[in-house]
Amino acid sequence: GQNIDQPTEMTATEGAIVQINCTYQTSGFNGLFWYQQHAGEAPTFLSYNVLDGLEEKGRFSSFLSRSKGYSYLLLKELQMKDSASYLCAVREKSSYKLIFGSGTRLLVRP
Amino acid sequence: EAQVTQNPRYLITVTGKKLTVTCSQNMNHEYMSWYRQDPGLGLRQIYYSMNVEVTDKGDVPEGYKVSRKEKRNFPLILESPSPNQTSLYFCASSGGTEAFFGQGTRLTVV
Repeated sequence: GQNIDQPTEMTATEGAIVQINCTYQTSGFNGLFWYQQHAGEAPTFLSYNVLDGLEEKGRFSSFLSRSKGYSYLLLKELQMKDSASYLCAVREKSSYKLIFGSGTRLLVRP
Repeated sequence: EAQVTQNPRYLITVTGKKLTVTCSQNMNHEYMSWYRQDPGLGLRQIYYSMNVEVTDKGDVPEGYKVSRKEKRNFPLILESPSPNQTSLYFCASSGGTEAFFGQGTRLTVV
């Protein structure tokens, strides 16, 4: 079956670092995406991992372990504008279908 | 510039009046899909398409139709809209290492 789990909510302080975890189970794996979504707006693409390891892009980094079915998104030097929902999505190998987790709502406090 | 364009952005219609939401991408992606997003339910896939003339049902296809006559376009058709189809709709397009969303269409059916 297909299952993607993320924490529902997280709170962090401005300037700090936060790690958002995502665990998944799929019948075939062809990459993992992270998106940021502000309320009422479209999800915006943050990162893509298909091989194990860490991908760094400015203040955002994403890690993947395929053997563990695990990924995390790391946000450094948090800013108030980082308050948003963060969506983890896995792409199925056979159909290229994107399967989304329910998202993690991050609140950044001053 | 890589783009997924949806129209209209906002639409209020009456029950039973057929409507079409258009989606177009300029990245030559093979895979396109439609999602609806409702409070507390996250992104749910309606239909997806792996290529021209190839479409398949997602998780919530009832009441919707799609077509994929050309690679760049993937319209969503509601033949007889009902109030339970009031939602925020997103079109997405993906290929290789990237996956992008359109700006969203907020549909209200009264």
